[in-house]
Amino acid sequence: GQNIDQPTEMTATEGAIVQINCTYQTSGFNGLFWYQQHAGEAPTFLSYNVLDGLEEKGRFSSFLSRSKGYSYLLLKELQMKDSASYLCAVRDRSGQNFVFGPGTRLSVLP
Amino acid sequence: GAVVSQHPSWVICKSGTSVKIECRSLDFQATTMFWYRQFPKQSLMLMATSNEGSKATYEQGVEKDKFLINHASLTLSTLTVTSAHPEDSSFYICSATWPQIDGYTFGSGTRLTVV
Repeated sequence: GQNIDQPTEMTATEGAIVQINCTYQTSGFNGLFWYQQHAGEAPTFLSYNVLDGLEEKGRFSSFLSRSKGYSYLLLKELQMKDSASYLCAVRDRSGQNFVFGPGTRLSVLP
Repeated sequence: GAVVSQHPSWVICKSGTSVKIECRSLDFQATTMFWYRQFPKQSLMLMATSNEGSKATYEQGVEKDKFLINHASLTLSTLTVTSAHPEDSSFYICSATWPQIDGYTFGSGTRLTVV
């Protein structure tokens, strides 16, 4: 089966660092993706991990441990505009299908 | 980069009528497109996988006679919500993938309100 877990909500302060965790149990694995979604808008791609380790992209970093079925998204120097939902998604072995986690709603406070 | 255009952005319709949503890949050929539905404060739920030139594959619990999907060309997939009811009010998003890109490219979404 497919199961992806993320915290439902998180709150952080402007300028701080926040880590959003994602655990997954899927029947196949061909990459883990993080998307940002503002209310009423479509998701936008943030990062992609297929091998273990940390991928850094500006203020955003994503980490993957395939043996633990675990990933996190790290957001540094938080800005008010980072208030959004963050979706973790796993691509299956076929490379075609994505399974999305429930999303984490992040609120950045001044 | 890969762009997916979705139209309309929002639509209000009367209960019992049908609504068509279009999803186009603008600068690439999308052999596979996906249709999602998203209720407020919930994640994306896959409704169906649309393959060019063949019947769509629907997820369990999605009525294929109610949500008609057509993928007649490599750049266009349509979702028609037939005999819409207020409970069909939702945010519908399409996405496409092709071998040259790693992730999904999403359309801008369609906010459907059935009154």
